[in-house]
Amino acid sequence: GESVGLHLPTLSVQEGDNSIINCAYSNSASDYFIWYKQESGKGPQFIIDIRSNMDKRQGQRVTVLLNKTVKHLSLQIAATQPGDSAVYFCAENGGQGGSARQLTFGSGTQLTVLP
Amino acid sequence: DAGITQSPRHKVTETGTPVTLRCHQTENHRYMYWYRQDPGHGLRLIHYSYGVKDTDKGEVSDGYSVSRSKTEDFLLTLESATSSQTSVYFCAISLSGNEQFFGPGTRLTVL
Repeated sequence: GESVGLHLPTLSVQEGDNSIINCAYSNSASDYFIWYKQESGKGPQFIIDIRSNMDKRQGQRVTVLLNKTVKHLSLQIAATQPGDSAVYFCAENGGQGGSARQLTFGSGTQLTVLP
Repeated sequence: DAGITQSPRHKVTETGTPVTLRCHQTENHRYMYWYRQDPGHGLRLIHYSYGVKDTDKGEVSDGYSVSRSKTEDFLLTLESATSSQTSVYFCAISLSGNEQFFGPGTRLTVL
């Protein structure tokens, strides 16, 4: 079946460096992608989303890049801070219409920011 | 977590007992979802709702039922709890069906 996967389960970066978290998807019908951050003991928190008619979108210190040719999604975090340490999930909607949209989530990448 | 509450936040129960988890929203969003999160499996959809009294099954619906009698409340019931249902349960809401906002979660332990 279709799935969303992450290239690396863990990522460690030095404070102040940029972080790049990658995600591969296999459903070419997906037209909406979203990144979440989850801190220990909390629910996933929306970071940024992107639609398939775009290849880049920027937020505050974050950028999402979408490469539809190779079905690849990445989240870039600029000047990584200790508060960025968390698990990051990508999700895609599989291009579903109908009565409700569902998201399929990847298994997550643990980002650790080193002092 | 603004606008979404889950109750209880923690529950310990015994195998075979019924359990009901509640999700309450103040955002008037149309779509509501129940997920479970387990190590190695990420977030998996149990059931979802696209309106009052309109619900459908997700990926892992066996052993669970839901009800939505009003916009703001979405209930998840474990008809007869089993140890395999020990998990963290998250409710999510969405206005459009794409961007979903999650509640704080309920940690359920079935002994």
